[in-house]
Amino acid sequence: GESVGLHLPTLSVQEGDNSIINCAYSNSASDYFIWYKQESGKGPQFIIDIRSNMDKRQGQRVTVLLNKTVKHLSLQIAATQPGDSAVYFCAENSIYNQGGKLIFGQGTELSVKP
Amino acid sequence: KAGVTQTPRYLIKTRGQQVTLSCSPISGHRSVSWYQQTPGQGLQFLFEYFSETQRNKGNFPGRFSGRQFSNSRSEMNVSTLELGDSALYLCASSQDIHSGANVLTFGAGSRLTVL
Repeated sequence: GESVGLHLPTLSVQEGDNSIINCAYSNSASDYFIWYKQESGKGPQFIIDIRSNMDKRQGQRVTVLLNKTVKHLSLQIAATQPGDSAVYFCAENSIYNQGGKLIFGQGTELSVKP
Repeated sequence: KAGVTQTPRYLIKTRGQQVTLSCSPISGHRSVSWYQQTPGQGLQFLFEYFSETQRNKGNFPGRFSGRQFSNSRSEMNVSTLELGDSALYLCASSQDIHSGANVLTFGAGSRLTVL
């Protein structure tokens, strides 16, 4: 069935280093991908999104890369800060999942060491 | 602009009881979605409402239901609670549903514990 999964459940990085969080998806029909950040006690917070007609999109300190050939998505965080410590989720939406139905990955916990 | 507001934030129920959770979307957002988050299953889609109509439904039993009011506020109800219903219930709202690609803004969630 459809699934969106992450390669690494936990990631520990040093403050100032770059972080890369990976995600694999299985539905070739997926055309929209989103990264969310969830801090303890809070709901998921939108970070960045990308449509399937793009390979790369940059935001403030974050970059999302999409490789449709291997159905892989990654989130790069530059100069990681302690405030970046959280669980990161990738999510997909496809032409079959209209509106607010997103399929989420299991999440990767990012821990930033000062 | 106020965010998505969910009430109550925490609640404890016993097996067999029922519970109603409330969600107020961001002003102007007409779509409201509900998700269940558990450590074992992660974030799972429950249902989505738009203009008081359920547009999408996830794979949950009929004990889980919801509704949306004319002001876009939404409620979800879980009847005959089971221990496995203990979870964080998240509500999200969005503005544009036509493109099939929507940025969902989530509330802080309602933490339900079933004893």
